[in-house]
Amino acid sequence: GNSVTQMEGPVTLSEEAFLTINCTYTATGYPSLFWYVQYPGEGLQLLLKATKADDKGSNKGFEATYRKETTSFHLEKGSVQVSDSAVYFCALSDRGGATNKLIFGTGTLLAVQP
Amino acid sequence: ETGVTQTPRHLVMGMTNKKSLKCEQHLGHNAMYWYKQSAKKPLELMFVYNFKEQTENNSVPSRFSPECPNSSHLFLHLHTLQPEDSALYLCASSQPESGANVLTFGAGSRLTVL
Repeated sequence: GNSVTQMEGPVTLSEEAFLTINCTYTATGYPSLFWYVQYPGEGLQLLLKATKADDKGSNKGFEATYRKETTSFHLEKGSVQVSDSAVYFCALSDRGGATNKLIFGTGTLLAVQP
Repeated sequence: ETGVTQTPRHLVMGMTNKKSLKCEQHLGHNAMYWYKQSAKKPLELMFVYNFKEQTENNSVPSRFSPECPNSSHLFLHLHTLQPEDSALYLCASSQPESGANVLTFGAGSRLTVL
């Protein structure tokens, strides 16, 4: 079945460092891909998305490119801030069944130190 | 209120208790979801409702009983739970017909089963 694999955390960085969180997927067809972020004590929020191959999603300085050839959707940010500390989830939209649903990875905790 | 609201935010219950979690969305969405979030595990999809009809039950034990009286409200009735059911329960809603299925999440209900 469809699945998402993302790098284990925690990822600990200093402020202004470069961030990469790896995400690969297994899917039949052409799913949409997402990154969600969960700040402490809150639910998940959509960070960015890409709906077809070679699309680049971007938001708040974060970017991810839908790579069909490598089945990847890695999250990057050029200069992280303390406020970016959160758990990041990669997900794909599974169009099987009667209703679209999202399949999530395990989440990667990012801790940014001042 | 806007977005997706979940109550209660925290719940502690014994194994013989009966309680309910409530979710309400004010976004005009037609689909609602229950997810279970446990430490170090991917988010687990539990139930999906589309236009008040259940379209997905992901092999959830019968001690969890969902109810969707209308497209804006979703309940999760709990009875005779086990300690391993302790987790964060997340409700989400979406408008699947709008293309890429973007889910909007509530802040979650933190459940502890003693």
